[in-house]
Amino acid sequence: DTGVSQDPRHKITKRGQNVTFRCDPISEHNRLYWYRQTLGQGPEFLTYFQNEAQLEKSRLLSDRFSAERPKGSFSTLEIQRTEQGDSAMYLCASSQSTSRELFFGEGSRLTVL
Amino acid sequence: AQSVTQLDSQVPVFEEAPVELRCNYSSSVSVYLFWYVQYPNQGLQLLLKYLSGSTLVKGINGFEAEFNKSQTSFHLRKPSVHISDTAEYFCAVSELRETSGSRLTFGEGTQLTVNP
Repeated sequence: DTGVSQDPRHKITKRGQNVTFRCDPISEHNRLYWYRQTLGQGPEFLTYFQNEAQLEKSRLLSDRFSAERPKGSFSTLEIQRTEQGDSAMYLCASSQSTSRELFFGEGSRLTVL
Repeated sequence: AQSVTQLDSQVPVFEEAPVELRCNYSSSVSVYLFWYVQYPNQGLQLLLKYLSGSTLVKGINGFEAEFNKSQTSFHLRKPSVHISDTAEYFCAVSELRETSGSRLTFGEGTQLTVNP
């Protein structure tokens, strides 16, 4: 299968630690998105890449968050000095530039103790 | 800025009954509209989308939705639900701006619970 893959699926960490999530998009998709979803809420946009270029970042993406997509394929989302408020599901999605349909991965659930 | 309001946070319904999940949106430009479904601890799966053309769109699992531009609504309907339809449903909007790619703005979701 060539769906969107995210790793790890679950991460438990202590406050103050750094965590990194990886997303592998569908291979022919040149756009990649990160969203955050807290319990009982809809997903909120964090950032968006077209190929390797990060074209938009939400104000939700504080200085502790950084995302990369170095070769225009997989992407990483790093959170430094985690806080309890960072606990959420981090969703990755990909799309083709000619399509409005986003395909989502299963998500990476972060719990900060 | 665009926004999406899902009018019901929870909708309980009996099996084989019809259901409607309501969605209203706000945007200053033309939009595309989507409904996604999310099962527990999983990602989002596209149910259906409105891009252009007929305002009545059909999706997977027997769902359909109608785009009403004058009322800025995109309500989701199914004539007869199954237990397996129990899930969280999200309405989303994408504006026609090249600078935002296909960025989606989601509503807060409606939990559909189908009871036997």
